[in-house]
Amino acid sequence: QVQLQESGPGLVKPSETLSLTCTVSGASVISGSFYWHWIRQPAGKGLEWVGRIYTTGSTEYNPSLQSRVTMALDTSKNQVSLKLTSVTAADTAAYYCARSGIYYSVWFGPWGQGTLATVSS
Amino acid sequence: EVVMAQSPATLSVSPGEGATLSCRASQSVNSNLAWYQQRPGQAPRLLIYGATTRATGVPARFSGSGSGTDFTLTISSLQSEDFAIYYCQQYDNWPPYTFGQGTKLEIK
Repeated sequence: QVQLQESGPGLVKPSETLSLTCTVSGASVISGSFYWHWIRQPAGKGLEWVGRIYTTGSTEYNPSLQSRVTMALDTSKNQVSLKLTSVTAADTAAYYCARSGIYYSVWFGPWGQGTLATVSS
Repeated sequence: EVVMAQSPATLSVSPGEGATLSCRASQSVNSNLAWYQQRPGQAPRLLIYGATTRATGVPARFSGSGSGTDFTLTISSLQSEDFAIYYCQQYDNWPPYTFGQGTKLEIK
């Protein structure tokens, strides 16, 4: 059974870079026809797709965040990483990683439990 | 970007009754629509994909219908654990994949 676990610093200062990791167990991040995604949710608000990375390492990002987002695979640790630069208070949210199929099978499941990232000085 | 609109924002229903939640897309998404349930303090959980197919382990009281721009999630005979927030998500047109703003299902 595939399990995902997000981790990160929790608190980031404005204008700095938010770095999060998603550790995957029960599957290899470079095997199969799957996308690995980051999705975020500000407290009390809805869900926003941040971006995805394929098992080959190819990426696609939300156009609203594209200039600030980088996702990567770490095969040695079986992790998916997210870097978000030049953060502001608007980036404060719970960040989830999730897996999906590809093409027209992009429904999200399983999900990690999420990690809260707060942007504050 | 495909905008997903859910209605109502909040739905008050008594346990044992049924509930109907709606999701409308700003353009056709064919049947490329999923529904999720999110309980307080938890990650979303996949309920329905392909507009009508229940995910593994989802009780039969959950059903999805619709195609094109109008979709419905129906929950029959509500149980206590069903009171949560429900989101729809389209995966027909990307980037980005987009979610509705959610419907909160609360106990009446």
